[in-house]
Amino acid sequence: GEDVEQSLFLSVREGDSSVINCTYTDSSSTYLYWYKQEPGAGLQLLTYIFSNMDMKQDQRLTVLLNKKDKHLSLRIADTQTGDSAIYFCAERSGGYQKVTFGTGTKLQVIP
Amino acid sequence: DAGVIQSPRHEVTEMGQEVTLRCKPISGHNSLFWYRQTMMRGLELLIYFNNNVPIDDSGMPEDRFSAKMPNASFSTLKIQPSEPRDSAVYFCASSSPGLAGAGSTDTQYFGPGTRLTVL
Repeated sequence: GEDVEQSLFLSVREGDSSVINCTYTDSSSTYLYWYKQEPGAGLQLLTYIFSNMDMKQDQRLTVLLNKKDKHLSLRIADTQTGDSAIYFCAERSGGYQKVTFGTGTKLQVIP
Repeated sequence: DAGVIQSPRHEVTEMGQEVTLRCKPISGHNSLFWYRQTMMRGLELLIYFNNNVPIDDSGMPEDRFSAKMPNASFSTLKIQPSEPRDSAVYFCASSSPGLAGAGSTDTQYFGPGTRLTVL
């Protein structure tokens, strides 16, 4: 079945870049996503990438996709304290819009 | 749009009691998902519906859990009887396939969650 894995924790200093990594197993994934969860809230879509793309940039966010290695990363440039949250990697898998989520990476930004 | 609405936001109950969690998806969305989030197990998909029909309930922990979607604008997740290990945050999410030919990212929109505490 589908499996999505992430490291659990990342700590960076304010102003530095953050890189959150993810690996997945389903080679037929069509979309891969990054969701952000702030304390006490639900998950919110941050960005996504279609599987035929290698890279997508959106302001401070850069998503890199290596389909061969089934590796997805999210780079946040100039990380701010407001970026502190849990980041979930996810892949579109199966039918009916089902998405498989990773374990989440807790990003701590140190002022 | 008000987004996905869940109620109650917090629920504290005693072991053995019945608990009903409610969800109103975004209007026009045809898929609805129930998730459970705990520190130990992370985010787990419990069940999902498409056009009000349950598609996959393999994530439902046991028979004490049941979910219904009587119409396109309402779903419930019921736990009867509840146990302390059911304590978690329960999320509802909905998504839409998008317009034909326009492509769809199948983005899921999450509600704020219900924090359940079973004493």
